[in-house]
Amino acid sequence: AQKVTQAQTEISVVEKEDVTLDCVYETRDTTYYLFWYKQPPSGELVFLIRRNSFDEQNEISGRYSWNFQKSTSSFNFTITASQVVDSAVYFCALSESNAGNMLTFGGGTRLMVKP
Amino acid sequence: DAGVIQSPRHEVTEMGQEVTLRCKPISGHDYLFWYRQTMMRGLELLIYFNNNVPIDDSGMPEDRFSAKMPNASFSTLKIQPSEPRDSAVYFCASSLVGLAAAQETQYFGPGTRLLVL
Repeated sequence: AQKVTQAQTEISVVEKEDVTLDCVYETRDTTYYLFWYKQPPSGELVFLIRRNSFDEQNEISGRYSWNFQKSTSSFNFTITASQVVDSAVYFCALSESNAGNMLTFGGGTRLMVKP
Repeated sequence: DAGVIQSPRHEVTEMGQEVTLRCKPISGHDYLFWYRQTMMRGLELLIYFNNNVPIDDSGMPEDRFSAKMPNASFSTLKIQPSEPRDSAVYFCASSLVGLAAAQETQYFGPGTRLLVL
């Protein structure tokens, strides 16, 4: 069975600090897909990134970066120079190729960036 | 382009009443998903459709819940009768193809916040 763990339920930082959100996953499948979504206070879920199990390259997009390490089953998300607008709940999710199109979400990490 | 559209955005009802949530997926998307978000259980998949056909409904909590997709541009999630424990945010999502396709993802609607008194 697939499982996603986001051990940090809540993180509080001051603006301009760097922050890393942890995501650890469990899967027996050799092909799987990992995702990060952002849920701002307005409530919608916004797609941030997808990574495939066969592509272990890290990704950088502006102030956002993602570190995918199969050896530790982790897909961590770092925000550099955080801003108040980054305040949101962030979800990591996993889909196994043998599980159809099911997305299994972690419990989410609430990030609060204070001015 | 319009994203996934859900209605109503907020619903308050009394226990025992029927509740119908509606979703319009992104035009051309073949997959439609219904999720529920609660504090206790987080985000969980209830059911998904491919080309209007239900594929996996193993997440539907009980017989009080039913979902239909009569055509490619409309789906409903119905709760009858509703109970206070059904209070949650219900999200609809759609995707063009399955997640096995490179770089595909699910696009979420704004959600319907349901409160059952």
